[in-house]
Amino acid sequence: EAGVAQSPRYKIIEKRQSVAFWCNPISGHATLYWYQQILGQGPKLLIQFQNNGVVDDSQLPKDRFSAERLKGVDSTLKIQPAKLEDSAVYLCASSLTENQPQHFGDGTRLSIL
Amino acid sequence: AQSVTQLDSQVPVFEEAPVELRCNYSSSVSVYLFWYVQYPNQGLQLLLKYLSGSTLVESINGFEAEFNKSQTSFHLRKPSVHISDTAEYFCAVSRGSTLGRLYFGRGTQLTVWP
Repeated sequence: EAGVAQSPRYKIIEKRQSVAFWCNPISGHATLYWYQQILGQGPKLLIQFQNNGVVDDSQLPKDRFSAERLKGVDSTLKIQPAKLEDSAVYLCASSLTENQPQHFGDGTRLSIL
Repeated sequence: AQSVTQLDSQVPVFEEAPVELRCNYSSSVSVYLFWYVQYPNQGLQLLLKYLSGSTLVESINGFEAEFNKSQTSFHLRKPSVHISDTAEYFCAVSRGSTLGRLYFGRGTQLTVWP
């Protein structure tokens, strides 16, 4: 079984630029999560999708962050414009249903200069 | 609201020594509990989980954790560690209604020395 795929693995941008991350969950997994992991901290949920609908985006900074999962499969997370404090690893996870354990991708490490 | 406290940010031990990584949580509802392991430049891997039933849960690589409701703890233990156990370990909880959203602790870096 292929795992959760994320790209790119690394990204370096200047502040105020835009960036997008891509996630392809495990085949058949209905639930998809995006987490932000700042250095020295545990992951923090940004947004949770059930198929193509948003279940929880209460911690997503909506003035600059957006995410979509239009066909209920892969997902894109965008930051526009980026701030220095957005430097972090962005992790995507998926689960078969909301009531199953999550499987994580290797993440995208974002550095803001 | 849920919160998770991992009391030790770093735990250095020698190979073959026992280790305990501590985790306490606060929640007003029943919870599900998890330990995840993260190797350098990789995502998180589920190590073990407590959903219900026996309060002692075990992983395939010798780790175990015990759910203690009265002390609101879920400490991770291994009687004899290997160098390959060096990694960051995260404790996480989710609401009792579904496994969905996870709340993570800050992590404990376990370093095993030869």
